[in-house]
Amino acid sequence: DVQLVESGGGLVQPGRSLRLSCATSGFTFGDYGMSWVRQAPGKGLEWLGFIRSKTYGGTTQYAASVKGRFTISRDDSKSIAYLQMNSVKTDDTAVYYCTRNAATWELFFDYWGQGTPVTVSS
Amino acid sequence: EIVLTQSPGTLSLSPGERATLSCRASQSLSTSYLAWYQQKPGQAPRLLIFDASRRATGIPARFSGSGSGTDFTLTISRLEPEDFAVFYCQQYDSSPTFGGGTKVEI
Repeated sequence: DVQLVESGGGLVQPGRSLRLSCATSGFTFGDYGMSWVRQAPGKGLEWLGFIRSKTYGGTTQYAASVKGRFTISRDDSKSIAYLQMNSVKTDDTAVYYCTRNAATWELFFDYWGQGTPVTVSS
Repeated sequence: EIVLTQSPGTLSLSPGERATLSCRASQSLSTSYLAWYQQKPGQAPRLLIFDASRRATGIPARFSGSGSGTDFTLTISRLEPEDFAVFYCQQYDSSPTFGGGTKVEI
């Protein structure tokens, strides 16, 4: 079974950094692009960015709202994707989901983790 | 950025009834790259439909998607008790964006 398990969330002060991890199993991680999506309390879904597979350069693309502050990376040897969050703001408070890109070039998401909550507060 | 507007915000129906959810894009999706997700309270979203009309693996046939251009529809032919949830559309014609969601309640 495909599984994605996020970790690393919690309480963080504004301006600080946090790194989220997404441990995966049940599929060949290196063959897939991975994305991060967040959901603020009581709100809808917001795509944050994705990382392509190494086959396609392992390059990244980000939403304008987080570009320059958030960085996505991957460790194919461990089947883990990461979301590095820098200079966090109170607006970054949300549940953060790791997702698998269902196709190479089309950014829709066929598997989701259970999410890890991040609260940004002093 | 392509903005997706979902309507209605809330749909109140009974089990066995037909549900019709709308998703309108601020500009035409030239490729019909539109997906639908279902989210139940406390759970992650689940992919239902992609490419506007293709059911994801394991999704029951009562879920169907249609549309093109700027207007898309998710139809649930006969609501089962487990179908009551929030539904989101998402476009991937350009940088992905989601609609605001439609809650289907009993």
